[in-house]
Amino acid sequence: RKEVEQDPGPFNVPEGATVAFNCTYSNSASQSFFWYRQDCRKEPKLLMSVYSSGNEDGRFTAQLNRASQYISLLIRDSKLSDSATYLCVVNTNDYKLSFGAGTTVTVRA
Amino acid sequence: DAGVTQSPTHLIKTRGQQVTLRCSPKSGHDTVSWYQQALGQGPQFIFQYYEEEERQRGNFPDRFSGHQFPNYSSELNVNALLLGDSALYLCASSPPGQLNYGYTFGSGTRLTVV
Repeated sequence: RKEVEQDPGPFNVPEGATVAFNCTYSNSASQSFFWYRQDCRKEPKLLMSVYSSGNEDGRFTAQLNRASQYISLLIRDSKLSDSATYLCVVNTNDYKLSFGAGTTVTVRA
Repeated sequence: DAGVTQSPTHLIKTRGQQVTLRCSPKSGHDTVSWYQQALGQGPQFIFQYYEEEERQRGNFPDRFSGHQFPNYSSELNVNALLLGDSALYLCASSPPGQLNYGYTFGSGTRLTVV
């Protein structure tokens, strides 16, 4: 079983729409959770950390459900510039980050 | 302030050859990690270097080796290249004591093995 699994999408949404997607992780001892954004052929960039109580950063909302071992990301009022691959990332209190394969989001005009 | 710098940006090698990729961490960062990202996949952890020692290693064969220098820069070496080694190789650095939150990635080296 993969450490982090994501729905690959693609999610194709119009500008202004809301899009949400999840990932699941296999190790219940995981300590830290993140969403990274990766544009085509570029490096991953940290979008936001995910906290147990849930957190927002502008139009982005992240939720963590430790009991079910899943993490979600919701994007409100989608912009063309939100088109990217979103990587779910988990750290299990060691030195490596475990990445999902990514969820592709395309926002159309 | 320069971020993480990787060189070269692109590389084409033949099966069986050896390759060395280089990474300069962000200023103030002392820890360097290497990741391999195959097409359509998420990055996979290769290893991490701290204080010039390999601190942790992922599920990669011994053909993959590395080094960290006193100035915190790092090299990734891959011997006996296989076609399956074709990927984007990413270097990430982090500052002291902030492993969970301080990762900065370089733009990567795209390796093609033919």
